[in-house]
Amino acid sequence: NAGVTQTPKFRILKIGQSMTLQCTQDMNHNYMYWYRQDPGMGLKLIYYSVGAGITDKGEVPNGYNVSRSTTEDFPLRLELAAPSQTSVYFCASGGLAGVGSTDTQYFGPGTRLTVL
Amino acid sequence: GESVGLHLPTLSVQEGDNSIINCAYSNSASDYFIWYKQESGKGPQFIIDIRSNMDKRQGQRVTVLLNKTVKHLSLQIAATQPGDSAVYFCAERITGGGNKLTFGTGTQLKVEL
Repeated sequence: NAGVTQTPKFRILKIGQSMTLQCTQDMNHNYMYWYRQDPGMGLKLIYYSVGAGITDKGEVPNGYNVSRSTTEDFPLRLELAAPSQTSVYFCASGGLAGVGSTDTQYFGPGTRLTVL
Repeated sequence: GESVGLHLPTLSVQEGDNSIINCAYSNSASDYFIWYKQESGKGPQFIIDIRSNMDKRQGQRVTVLLNKTVKHLSLQIAATQPGDSAVYFCAERITGGGNKLTFGTGTQLKVEL
């Protein structure tokens, strides 16, 4: 299994541009998450999904959107990039499809985004 | 404010010594705790977890202790190696919170040769 994969690894955006951060997991997990990590800080939850077709806001959702059309994919969309969105973005997944309770979250390698 | 915090931002230990990384949490409704290791430029890597009905759990060279009375969590690393150098995060899950985790700011562990 590749686990959780994220693309791209790095990206530089201009203010006002838009982009989609891709996340795919091949572990058949039902739960997926997007976090951002600012320098020297912990991770803050942006959005999460408990299954295909279901998404919910986390702690810092403003400026972002997500969709979950399949179990495997959970893309994060930035519509109007702002300098405050400069950060490292991590996708995570957990649990097994069909199993109600899940615990450990497994993380992807991250996308480093700079907005200038 | 954050409900999960760490006592020491940086911990330096000699190779071969034991390391203890501490974490305080404030929510008594937390039912599950995880320790992650994050190396520079990489995503957090699962180390060990513990449920709130346990006091101690051991893995390979790592032990997690949970003291619910004082809301304190610790990670012990035995015979610390250079490869253990990283930032360590604790995270808590609040019961009924949709399996969402709240992360602390992390402790930088530096292993000196």
